[in-house]
Amino acid sequence: EVQLVQSGAEVKKPGESLKISCKGSGYSFTSYWIGWVRQMPGKGLEWMGIIYPGDSDTRYSPSFQGQVTISADKSISTAYLQWSSLKASDTAMYYCARRFAVVRGVIIWSAFDIWGQGTMVTVSS
Amino acid sequence: DIQMTQSPSSLSASVGDRVTITCRASQSISSYLNWYQQKPGKAPKLLIYAASSLQSGVPSRFSGSGSGTDFTLTISSLQPEDFATYYCQQSYSTLWTFGQGTKLEIK
Repeated sequence: EVQLVQSGAEVKKPGESLKISCKGSGYSFTSYWIGWVRQMPGKGLEWMGIIYPGDSDTRYSPSFQGQVTISADKSISTAYLQWSSLKASDTAMYYCARRFAVVRGVIIWSAFDIWGQGTMVTVSS
Repeated sequence: DIQMTQSPSSLSASVGDRVTITCRASQSISSYLNWYQQKPGKAPKLLIYAASSLQSGVPSRFSGSGSGTDFTLTISSLQPEDFATYYCQQSYSTLWTFGQGTKLEIK
């Protein structure tokens, strides 16, 4: 079964660091981009960034560039999202998701087809 | 960034109704448009990719159309399990963006 399994919920204080994980299984982890999506309480989905585990090529949304770091360890099929200094405004559910692609001629259509179950991060003093 | 705007933000409908949700992009995105369904406490689920292609396993009552800047998601006959929040998302640019969501509620 193709799946992404995320690490468990975290409760942290402002200023603390954190690294959450997303482990892929059932497919070739190095062949698909993995994205991260934030969902603040009661709000919509925000695309944070994406990484290609095969070579660690990473792209960030301007809104999150410099605020988080996305990385991957292909030897253990795991992607990461980390913060060096958390803020209360980082309180949210964070999802990882696999980017699949369908090639039709010269066009590549892509979307997030497999999602992790989400990691709730709560930052409070 | 490409901005995605959905309408309406919320919608009340009854089982059996035909429902349409609209998504507009701030610039042309060809057919690089996906639709997701999210139920409370759950991860989003891909319904439609490339504007009109039904993801495997998704019921045929869901359909998508459009190209350029204007897109629609249609549910032909609402079922009880369809009450959820729906998001569009563009994959035209390297930096993907989502619409703000449309909450579909039971009337």
